[in-house]
Amino acid sequence: DVVMTQTPPSLSVAIGQSVSISCKSSQSLVHSDGKTYLNWLLQNPGQSPKRLIYQVSNLGSGVPDRFSGTGSEKDFTLKISRVEAEDLGVYHCVQATHVPHTFGAGTKLELK
Amino acid sequence: QVQLQQSGAELVKPGSSVKMSCKASGYTFTSYYIYWIKQRPGQGLEWIGRIGPGSGDTNYNEKFKGKATFTVDKSSSTAYMQLSSLTPEDTAVYYCQTRFAYWGQGTLVTVSS
Repeated sequence: DVVMTQTPPSLSVAIGQSVSISCKSSQSLVHSDGKTYLNWLLQNPGQSPKRLIYQVSNLGSGVPDRFSGTGSEKDFTLKISRVEAEDLGVYHCVQATHVPHTFGAGTKLELK
Repeated sequence: QVQLQQSGAELVKPGSSVKMSCKASGYTFTSYYIYWIKQRPGQGLEWIGRIGPGSGDTNYNEKFKGKATFTVDKSSSTAYMQLSSLTPEDTAVYYCQTRFAYWGQGTLVTVSS
């Protein structure tokens, strides 16, 4: 199985600050169709996850452009510019190139 | 709009089975895989597997083979997951989702005597 190593495990931020989260995979996430199926999810406390980013850098429907995703092959980053209170929760990266799909361990974003 | 409505919480005894549902609406049910995800209390997310509602094709995480069984009822646009031989380690919230874009609200399964 592909191992997704997500760092840091937690972040303490002030509103308005910018942060980055890293996700590294043990294998290339480039699919045979040429696409890279790396997603970022946010799980607010007590809620179901919601998709922020798909295929590395595409913003999900209704997701503010404060969120951006970059990366390729095995190395990916989620950046949040100007953190807002609604951004607090746990961020998950997940690869959907290889079966089984696998998740990072999560990054908990908290208020400083 | 796309919605996935999951069945309610379950309290079940060790050794028993449970079957939960995920009713889809707002899109063509047979067009996209339904995925099942496990989240133990305070833990991360785990991919159990997927089912293609049109074909009935399934893929299971090796870890859940023999534990989880997926079925669908196309007439009601509902996907089901049955978990068998339950142990306390199966206590978790189970989510259905499609394309990572649409998630159910989760079904809490508590395994306790």
